[in-house]
Amino acid sequence: EVQLVESGGGSIQPGGSLRLSCAASGFTVTTNHLSWVRQAPGKGLEWLSLTYTGGSTNYADSVKGRFTISRDNSKNTLYLQMNNLRAEDTAVYYCARNMGDYWGQGTLVTVSS
Amino acid sequence: DVVMTQSPLSLPVTLGQPASISCRSSQSLVYSDGNTYLNWFQQRPGQSPTRLIYKVSNRDSGVPDRFSGSGSGTDFTLKISGVEAEDVGVYYCMQATHWPRTFGQGTKVEIK
Repeated sequence: EVQLVESGGGSIQPGGSLRLSCAASGFTVTTNHLSWVRQAPGKGLEWLSLTYTGGSTNYADSVKGRFTISRDNSKNTLYLQMNNLRAEDTAVYYCARNMGDYWGQGTLVTVSS
Repeated sequence: DVVMTQSPLSLPVTLGQPASISCRSSQSLVYSDGNTYLNWFQQRPGQSPTRLIYKVSNRDSGVPDRFSGSGSGTDFTLKISGVEAEDVGVYYCMQATHWPRTFGQGTKVEIK
């Protein structure tokens, strides 16, 4: 059974850093494209970042230069390193496989002083 | 960025009646490989999104056949042939042809 389980969210002050993890099971991360998508409270969905099977990555302008997506094939896990966090980064962060065929349950990040 | 515009944004429906959601993109969603990467997601209250339809009209495994997708180019539609209570939630279209992938604003389906 395919599962994605996010962790690492929490409360952080503006300017701080967090690293989110997404543990995958039931499939191999090396053979799938993986993404991070977020949803601010009461708002819609925003696709943030994508890592392709070949290793290339893409970022939305809103996080480019601040967030870094990566994967650890040995741990079958996806990561999102988030630096210089802002209040507007407050959201539930989801990891998703390929074109969204599977999603995790999400982890909440709150950026506030 | 490709702007995805959904209508209506709120859709009250009587149980058993059909429902239709429109999604229009600001650019063609036909990719160079000939495919059109337009997907539909359902987000039930308090849950993660789940994909219903991929590449315009392909239902995901386990999705009831009352859900159907159609369209081409820049104009797409999600139809529910007879709304059931479990269909309450927000529906999003999403394009994966261009980067960044972008979603519509969402359409909230509720029971009258």
